[in-house]
Amino acid sequence: GQSLEQPSEVTAVEGAIVQINCTYQTSGFYGLSWYQQHDGGAPTFLSYNALDGLEETGRFSSFLSRSDSYGYLLLQELQMKDSASYFCALLNYGQNFVFGPGTRLSVLP
Amino acid sequence: GAGVSQSPSNKVTEKGKDVELRCDPISGHTALYWYRQSLGQGLEFLIYFQGNSAPDKSGLPSDRFSAERTGESVSTLTIQRTQQEDSAVYLCASSSGQGTNYGYTFGSGTRLTVV
Repeated sequence: GQSLEQPSEVTAVEGAIVQINCTYQTSGFYGLSWYQQHDGGAPTFLSYNALDGLEETGRFSSFLSRSDSYGYLLLQELQMKDSASYFCALLNYGQNFVFGPGTRLSVLP
Repeated sequence: GAGVSQSPSNKVTEKGKDVELRCDPISGHTALYWYRQSLGQGLEFLIYFQGNSAPDKSGLPSDRFSAERTGESVSTLTIQRTQQEDSAVYLCASSSGQGTNYGYTFGSGTRLTVV
């Protein structure tokens, strides 16, 4: 099977940089993704890392290290609207994503 | 359509009744997924369709749950003899699954409450 671990909560102030970590156990996977979900809303796709290294998309960057079974999402220049839950997810060989438990990010003024 | 559409948005049903949840994926998306999310929890995989076939039904929690997809488009998730533990938000997602575009587009979900 596959399992993912994330911190349950992270708090940061507006304008700061925050890193949300994700560790996983799996026998194999295609890539690691990140999703954002605001309260009451649908998850929205943020990024996908098929290869090791850093992928940058605007204020958000995502990193994957297969040798360390580890990835992270980096959010820069935090804004109040970034307050949400963030999920890492593995794309498994069955062609579906297995999601982590989620990290609730609170951005303070 | 422009996005993934799910109906109904909310459903309250009595324990023991059957319910049917509908998902209209993005036109042309060959892959369709059902997940459920309990309050404050992560997403639990239920079933995946590639075209009209379901290569992976491993996530369905019991034989009371079934799903079908027709015309490589609309999908319905049916829960028979609902139980209180079935209460959750049921999310549908679709994906083109081509190239490196592995991102899912989720619908807004159906909030199911079993009383």
